[in-house]
Formats: sequence, C-alpha cells, structure tokens
Amino acid sequence: TQLLEQSPQFLSIQEGENLTVYCNSSSVFSSLQWYRQEPGEGPVLLVTVVTGGEVKKLKRLTFQFGDARKDSSLHITAAQPGDTGLYLCAGSRGYSGAGSYQLTFGKGTKLSVIP
Amino acid sequence: ETGVTQTPRHLVMGMTNKKSLKCEQHLGHNAMYWYKQSAKKPLELMFVYNFKEQTENNSVPSRFSPECPNSSHLFLHLHTLQPEDSALYLCASSLPGLALVGNEQFFGPGTRLTVL
Repeated sequence: TQLLEQSPQFLSIQEGENLTVYCNSSSVFSSLQWYRQEPGEGPVLLVTVVTGGEVKKLKRLTFQFGDARKDSSLHITAAQPGDTGLYLCAGSRGYSGAGSYQLTFGKGTKLSVIP
Repeated sequence: ETGVTQTPRHLVMGMTNKKSLKCEQHLGHNAMYWYKQSAKKPLELMFVYNFKEQTENNSVPSRFSPECPNSSHLFLHLHTLQPEDSALYLCASSLPGLALVGNEQFFGPGTRLTVL
C-alpha cells in the first residue's frame, strides 16, 4: 500500500505570513498532484509535478517534487484569507492499463488564514 | 463550476432505505470515479469506470452498487447502509492521457450522506 503522509494536519496563521506544508511517502510516484478543497466543495487541482526536483510556481504558491519522487512540498508566500482550505496531495501510480488513473490521497492539511 | 455535478447535495437516510446518488459530467471525459471522504481519513477510491466498463472495485461492500449507463453519467445505489457509511461521497472524471502523467481528475461538489 502506498501511503502519503501530510504535515502539519492543521495550520492557523495570520494574513501575510509564509508557510510550507509537506507530503511524504516511502514509495515512488510517477507524478504528484496538489488539490485545494473548500468547505462544501470537491477538490480542485492546483498543480501536477512529474519530474524529480521539479519546481512549479503558481502566483504565490511554489510546489516542489523531491529528487526521488517520494515527497513534495507546497510553500505559500504572504498568505491571504482566500488561501483557507484543505490542501491535499495525491500520488499517481500511472496509467492503469484500463484507460484510467488511480490516485492515492493524503489526509490533507487544513489551513486557516486569519485576517 | 468544474463541469461535474452531483445530486443530491445532502441526503439523510435510515438503515433500511434505498437511495441513489447521481453524478453527471459535461466535459467529454471517458473515466469516472466514486470516492468516499470521511473525517480524519484520506480520500478512499471506491469504483472506477472507463468507457462505461467497471475497471476497479476497491473491496467496497455490496451495499454500495455503482452503475454507469454512459460515459457522462454515474450512479451509486445505496441500500441497507450502516451509520459508519456517513461521509462525503465525491464523483470525479478524467480523460485518458499519457502513460507517465497522473491525469487531472475533476471533482464534483459531493453528496453529504448521513445514515441514521
């Protein structure tokens, strides 16, 4: 079983602060995705990282995939109340051979940004 | 709006009831998924359909019965559920893509199910 451990589980910070959340596994993934889920909604994809060591930036969000493709981090600069939500990482085992993909999800980091 | 709709958004049912959850995607995708999201647990994949054919059943109890009449619609039929089945049930869809990339899954808003 491929498990993804996310830390911290909960994070409450003031607006304007920086933060980093982590996603770790003992298994190698072909790719890793980060989703954000707001209350009452389904997860929405933020980014997919594929190459070991890859860094992707999305405005104030910076995503990094570990060199060994076992871990990832999400760094948010100058957090805003709109960043509040549950951040989920999901590792892909790649093409299942049946035309679909399976993702293994972590439990998520619940972020609250206080104005 | 992700292009994936789910109805109902909220459902309360007794253990002897029979109900169905509906999912519809307007994205032209071929793969559809049911997930269960419980508090303090990771999203659990339940079923996967590709081109209307079930390709995965992750040891889900038979009281959950999926149905995929076409690539745009997915149902989850529920009967004699247990209180521990209370959770958020999410539907997702995706396009088949490159073998090396985990393809993006588009999620619906979910159905919040409470079993009394």
